Amino acid sequence: DVKVTQSSRYLVKRTGEKVFLECVQDMDHENMFWYRQDPGLGLRLIYFSYDVKMKEKGDIPEGYSVSREKKERFSLILESASTNQTSMYLCASSPPLGTEAFFGQGTRLTVV
Amino acid sequence: GENVEQHPSTLSVQEGDSAVIKCTYSDSASNYFPWYKQELGKRPQLIIDIRSNVGEKKDQRIAVTLNKTAKHFSLHITETQPEDSAVYFCAASIYGNNRLAFGKGNQVVVIP
Repeated sequence: DVKVTQSSRYLVKRTGEKVFLECVQDMDHENMFWYRQDPGLGLRLIYFSYDVKMKEKGDIPEGYSVSREKKERFSLILESASTNQTSMYLCASSPPLGTEAFFGQGTRLTVV
Repeated sequence: GENVEQHPSTLSVQEGDSAVIKCTYSDSASNYFPWYKQELGKRPQLIIDIRSNVGEKKDQRIAVTLNKTAKHFSLHITETQPEDSAVYFCAASIYGNNRLAFGKGNQVVVIP
């Protein structure tokens, strides 16, 4: 059974903190993605990676960075968390030809 | 980049009736159109997809139709059941591009 696992289900952080969201997949997928999900706004792509150490900006990369040192792991970094980054964050992975995307269970981040 | 719009944002149907959700896309180069279902508190999961070389695809009670000329595609759910209540996301991409553009989602409520 395919699996994408995010390190935390719920996270509360203070404004200005550096925040790491971790995602691991066990399907040997080349592609990994970070989305942000907000009510009424759907799924918005923050960053994606199509290979180790490769990354591309999505639609809303401001205030975020990513790291992919190993094929199975893709990290989202909030350099200095702000309250407008309070959201549900979803990680996903897909095989090279970009068919089905498999999502993690999500991390609900609250920045106070 | 690709822009995907979904209508209506919320749809209520009586159990047993049909539900139709329509999406439009902007990039005529897009040729892959998946639909994801997200039940409350769960991760989005692929339910059906279609590529532009076909006009319709069915899987039991769900079907997707594609009109390339008009640049829209629709999800049809027949004989709706309470477990069909969820948020449905359409998406579009160029097959192999790996980068899905999602719509904002439709909340479908099936009334018993």
